[in-house]
Amino acid sequence: AQTVTQSQPEMSVQEAETVTLSCTYDTSESDYYLFWYKQPPSRQMILVIRQEAYKQQNATENRFSVNFQKAAKSFSLKISDSQLGDAAMYFCAYRNAGGTSYGKLTFGQGTILTVHP
Amino acid sequence: EAGVTQSPTHLIKTRGQQATLRCSPISGHTSVYWYQQALGLGLQFLLWYDEGEERNRGNFPPRFSGRQFPNYSSELNVNALELEDSALYLCASSIPGLAYNEQFFGPGTRLTVL
Repeated sequence: AQTVTQSQPEMSVQEAETVTLSCTYDTSESDYYLFWYKQPPSRQMILVIRQEAYKQQNATENRFSVNFQKAAKSFSLKISDSQLGDAAMYFCAYRNAGGTSYGKLTFGQGTILTVHP
Repeated sequence: EAGVTQSPTHLIKTRGQQATLRCSPISGHTSVYWYQQALGLGLQFLLWYDEGEERNRGNFPPRFSGRQFPNYSSELNVNALELEDSALYLCASSIPGLAYNEQFFGPGTRLTVL
């Protein structure tokens, strides 16, 4: 079974600064997808960024980028130029690319990000 | 484009009762997923429906069940409610044939069992 671990229950950052959230995972599969989701206090989960295991290039979406280290099974999220609206719970998630558990997302425990003005 | 909708927003039940939660996917999405977000337990996968069929099930007892209707909306039923069923229940939808099969989430239903 796959597992996802987020070792930082809470993180804080000053507005306009950069913060990195950590995520490690365990799988025996070679093809899979990784995601970072954001859950603001309003509760609606929003996809921040995604990465396919076969793509070596790290994904980037505006101020959000990932550092994907497949051999180390690490998938960290970097938020640059942090904004007050970035404050939320961030979840790292894993999904197999195929097989019977294809549709299932496995989530980490989450990291609460606080942004200080 | 309307997002995933869930009803009700809040639901209060007593132990032993049954709860029914509803989800409407984004138009064009055929897959619906249910997740439980309980305090201290994180987000746990419950069920996956696609084209009216149950495709996968998480590690939950049989009193958690559901179905998907011809219009792709879905119901989650929880029978014989227990106190530990109190949680936020999230529904997500996707188009499973796409590469990333990105799941779009609804706002959730907060179930409280007294």
